[in-house]
Amino acid sequence: NAGVMQNPRHLVRRRGQEARLRCSPMKGHSHVYWYRQLPEEGLKFMVYLQKENIIDESGMPKERFSAEFPKEGPSILRIQQVVRGDSAAYFCASSPIFIGTTSQETQYFGPGTRLLVL
Amino acid sequence: KQEVTQIPAALSVPEGENLVLNCSFTDSAIYNLQWFRQDPGKGLTSLLLIQSSQREQTSGRLNASLDKSSGRSTLYIAASQPGDSATYLCAVHSGTYKYIFGTGTRLKVLA
Repeated sequence: NAGVMQNPRHLVRRRGQEARLRCSPMKGHSHVYWYRQLPEEGLKFMVYLQKENIIDESGMPKERFSAEFPKEGPSILRIQQVVRGDSAAYFCASSPIFIGTTSQETQYFGPGTRLLVL
Repeated sequence: KQEVTQIPAALSVPEGENLVLNCSFTDSAIYNLQWFRQDPGKGLTSLLLIQSSQREQTSGRLNASLDKSSGRSTLYIAASQPGDSATYLCAVHSGTYKYIFGTGTRLKVLA
């Protein structure tokens, strides 16, 4: 069973361009979570999605950031008009079930996409 | 609001030493706690997952303990090796779907 896959692994953008980060969850997982790791900081939750639904986007910046998890295909984190402060590692995680009510399951993390904004 | 703190922020030890990394959290009502390893520029490798009902977990030279009442977890690494050099992250699952991460301990094991 392949793990969580993210692509690209590295992405370079100039200020003002758009960044699209993709996440393919583990097979059988229908819950996806995005986290951001700024330089020298811990990972911070951004958004939680199920297929075709955004459940919680409380950690997402209000502007320029959006996420989707369509019925078919990977989850996409989209950053419009990137700025230097968006440079970070973006991690995706997935789980087979909602983990809010059980301690028996966990989130499985992908390798991350490192975004550099010039 | 759950907050996770890791001390020390950085640690440098000679090869062969046994060492302890600390993680503290402010809300003891947790579901589980997980220790990760992160190599520079790489993703997260899950090391140990401790459920709230457990006191410790072991894997090879690693042992993680959990004391919910005091809001602490420790990761013990026995007989450290240069290959153990990495950043170690502690993450807490508090009953929502979010993991709350500490800022990590950067470990360097000198040959």
